[in-house]
Amino acid sequence: AQKVTQAQTEISVVEKEDVTLDCVYETRDTTYYLFWYKQPPSGELVFLIRRNSFDEQNEISGRYSWNFQKSTSSFNFTITASQVVDSAVYFCALSGPNSGYSTLTFGKGTMLLVSP
Amino acid sequence: DAGVIQSPRHEVTEMGQEVTLRCKPISGHDYLFWYRQTMMRGLELLIYFNNNVPIDDSGMPEDRFSAKMPNASFSTLKIQPSEPRDSAVYFCASSLDRVRNTEAFFGQGTRLTVV
Repeated sequence: AQKVTQAQTEISVVEKEDVTLDCVYETRDTTYYLFWYKQPPSGELVFLIRRNSFDEQNEISGRYSWNFQKSTSSFNFTITASQVVDSAVYFCALSGPNSGYSTLTFGKGTMLLVSP
Repeated sequence: DAGVIQSPRHEVTEMGQEVTLRCKPISGHDYLFWYRQTMMRGLELLIYFNNNVPIDDSGMPEDRFSAKMPNASFSTLKIQPSEPRDSAVYFCASSLDRVRNTEAFFGQGTRLTVV
């Protein structure tokens, strides 16, 4: 069975602070995909990134960066110099071969509040 | 492309009534998913289709829930009869074929309230 744990339910920071959102996953599969989605107050789910289990290189996209460590089954997400517009709920998710990599198992999400 | 389109955005209904949620996936996407989001259970998959065929409906909570995909551009999720515990946000998502394992694109969701 697959499981995604986001231990931080809510994080509050002040604008311009760096913040890291943790994600720990469990799976018996050797091949799998990891995702991050953002859910702003408007409610939609916005795709941020997908990584496959064979690619452990860290990735940076503007102020966003992701640290994938297979040894600790973690896929953490860091926002540098946070902004008020980053306020949202962030979900980590996992897909595996049992469903043909089609379906997502989500964590419970971390609510990020960035105050001015 | 307009993205995944769901309707209605909000639905308030009385217990016992039939509710139909609608979804138009992104054109060309082979997969369509229905997810439900609640505070208690988070985001959970209800059912998904591949090329209009239901593949896995094990997440559908009970027989009161049914989903159809009569063609590649339209899907419905029906609850009959509705109950207060069905109150949630229902998301539809679509993605390209699994070989490329592209990400799922989500609609804006339908917030259902059953009173």
